[in-house]
Amino acid sequence: RKEVEQDPGPFNVPEGATVAFNCTYSNSASQSFFWYRQDCRKEPKLLMSVYSSGNEDGRFTAQLNRASQYISLLIRDSKLSDSATYLCVVNMGNYGQNFVFGPGTRLSVLP
Amino acid sequence: NAGVTQTPKFRILKIGQSMTLQCTQDMNHNYMYWYRQDPGMGLKLIYYSVGAGITDKGEVPNGYNVSRSTTEDFPLRLELAAPSQTSVYFCASSSRLGTIYFGEGSWLTVV
Repeated sequence: RKEVEQDPGPFNVPEGATVAFNCTYSNSASQSFFWYRQDCRKEPKLLMSVYSSGNEDGRFTAQLNRASQYISLLIRDSKLSDSATYLCVVNMGNYGQNFVFGPGTRLSVLP
Repeated sequence: NAGVTQTPKFRILKIGQSMTLQCTQDMNHNYMYWYRQDPGMGLKLIYYSVGAGITDKGEVPNGYNVSRSTTEDFPLRLELAAPSQTSVYFCASSSRLGTIYFGEGSWLTVV
């Protein structure tokens, strides 16, 4: 089993759609969790951290279920500018040395 | 507002040549990382450092070397370049359990 797995994608959705990405991780002792966004030929950039209580930032909602070792990202009212690859990132170490990146899920928002 | 700065942005190397990718961060982060990303693939950790004077191998260290003489700098050395090292290289830094920040990437082609 891979350490961090994501929906394989790609996801092609119309503008205004709601889209959900799923991620599972293998290490139950993992400490922190993030969603990153990577545009074509650019570096990954933090979209949002993920907390056990769930958190929301505008159109984006992230959820963490530690018991199921599952992370989700929901994007509401998709915009063309949301087209990118979304990376699930899990810090599996106690000392910041083990950020594990999922393979990413590519999203294309279509006009 | 520099963050993580890496140079050069683009480089073409001939097989067997050597070069150093420079990376510096101004966020006083203890942890620094070098990743490579092949086209359409996920990030793979080459080397990481948990502080000045301390480095360790990641998933794909063969053909690379690093040093960490200061908190700010973490250069990556490619010895005897091979076509398999054609990739995009990202330097990154983080605090112990905090967000990981990336440089803009260095595109390397070995011909």
